[in-house]
Amino acid sequence: EVQLVESGGGLVQPGGSLRLSCAASGFTFGSHSMNWVRQAPGKGLEWVSYISGSSGTIYYADSVKGRFTISRDNANNSLFLQMNSLRAEDTAVYYCARTTVTFDYWGQGTLVTVSS
Amino acid sequence: EIVLTQSPGTLSLSPGERATLSCRASQSVSSSYLAWYQQKPGQAPRLLIYGASSRATGIPDRFSGSGSGTDFTLTISRLEPEDFAVYYCQQYGNSPMYTFGQGTRLEIK
Repeated sequence: EVQLVESGGGLVQPGGSLRLSCAASGFTFGSHSMNWVRQAPGKGLEWVSYISGSSGTIYYADSVKGRFTISRDNANNSLFLQMNSLRAEDTAVYYCARTTVTFDYWGQGTLVTVSS
Repeated sequence: EIVLTQSPGTLSLSPGERATLSCRASQSVSSSYLAWYQQKPGQAPRLLIYGASSRATGIPDRFSGSGSGTDFTLTISRLEPEDFAVYYCQQYGNSPMYTFGQGTRLEIK
């Protein structure tokens, strides 16, 4: 069974940093590209970042470019999102999602709240 | 960047009725790389349809997708109580810009 479990969310002050993790199981992790998607409270879905299976290709949404860094550890079936210079508008539930054709499996999400 | 506009914003129907949800793209979506997701309160989105018309694994056949180019439709042939949720379309043809529509809320009338 495919499972994705996010962790690392919490309350952080504006300008602070946070590192999210996504633990994957039930599939060959390194064979799939992965994404982070976020959802602000009461709002829609926003794609954040993409990483290929080999980490050779990485993309970011303009809203996070230069502040967030995606990475992965295929040996330990883990995906990460390092978030720096956080802003109030980064407050959201962050989901990791496996990519086959598109986002076929999602984790349950971890809440990031940026507030003083 | 492709912008997806979903309509209506809210759809009020009764169980047993047919639901038709629309997704319009600001430019043609290449190779019909259009997906639909369902999201219930407090849950992660679930993939329903990909490639505009292919059902994802385990999705009941009352869900169907159609369309091409800039106009796409999700149809639920006969609504079940568990189908009342928010539905999002997403394009992935212009990867890696995986843009989403703003969502359609399907509520019980």
